Amino acid sequence: DIAMTQSPDSLAVSLGERATINCKSSQSVLYSYNNNNYLAWYQQKPGQPPKLLIYWASTRESGVPDRFRGSGSGTDFALTISSLQAEDVAVYYCQQYYSNPWTFGQGTKVEIK
Amino acid sequence: QVQLQESGPGLVKPSETLSLTCTVSGVSINSYYWNWIRQPPGKGLEWIGYIYDSGTSNYNPSLRSRVTISIDTSKKQLSLKLTSVTAADTAVYYCARAYSASQFYFDYWGQGTLVSVSS
Repeated sequence: DIAMTQSPDSLAVSLGERATINCKSSQSVLYSYNNNNYLAWYQQKPGQPPKLLIYWASTRESGVPDRFRGSGSGTDFALTISSLQAEDVAVYYCQQYYSNPWTFGQGTKVEIK
Repeated sequence: QVQLQESGPGLVKPSETLSLTCTVSGVSINSYYWNWIRQPPGKGLEWIGYIYDSGTSNYNPSLRSRVTISIDTSKKQLSLKLTSVTAADTAVYYCARAYSASQFYFDYWGQGTLVSVSS
């Protein structure tokens, strides 16, 4: 199985400031034949299911604000919220879909400082 | 709009079988991969398995011996059975859609249903 490790486990950021969450996979999730990274990001608010934010490591899902940006390649990835809003308070998960079984990171909780 | 709705008992006794159903609306059940994913209270997400409209299924090796996922395309429903449950199976169970075999991220999710395992 590919293990996904996120850091930090939690972070507190002031409104309007940048928040960055890191995700590291135990092996590369870059498929060389198409140069795609098989990595997605989700946002989960309390009492709600996860919501897909980003796939292919950097493609925003329709309707996701452009303050959410995914980056990285191979084994190291990041989700950046460029200007934190109150509604962004949530737990964020990365997920690899490079190989079965599909696996998630342990989650990073984002709060307002 | 696409909606997924899980249903089933909220309480299951240890050693018994957990059975859940997910009803899909607003989209064809055909040509997509339908999944079960669970989340123990306060913890992270675990993919359980998927089924395709043909009935082809695949399970997480960690649960394979206890899991069966089935599909009824005429009713637009998928079902999950997990046998010999223990307290470790207490979780919110979600059904979710994966777009394709090469795009196995989950773009639509149900609201989830909490299943507690307790005597």
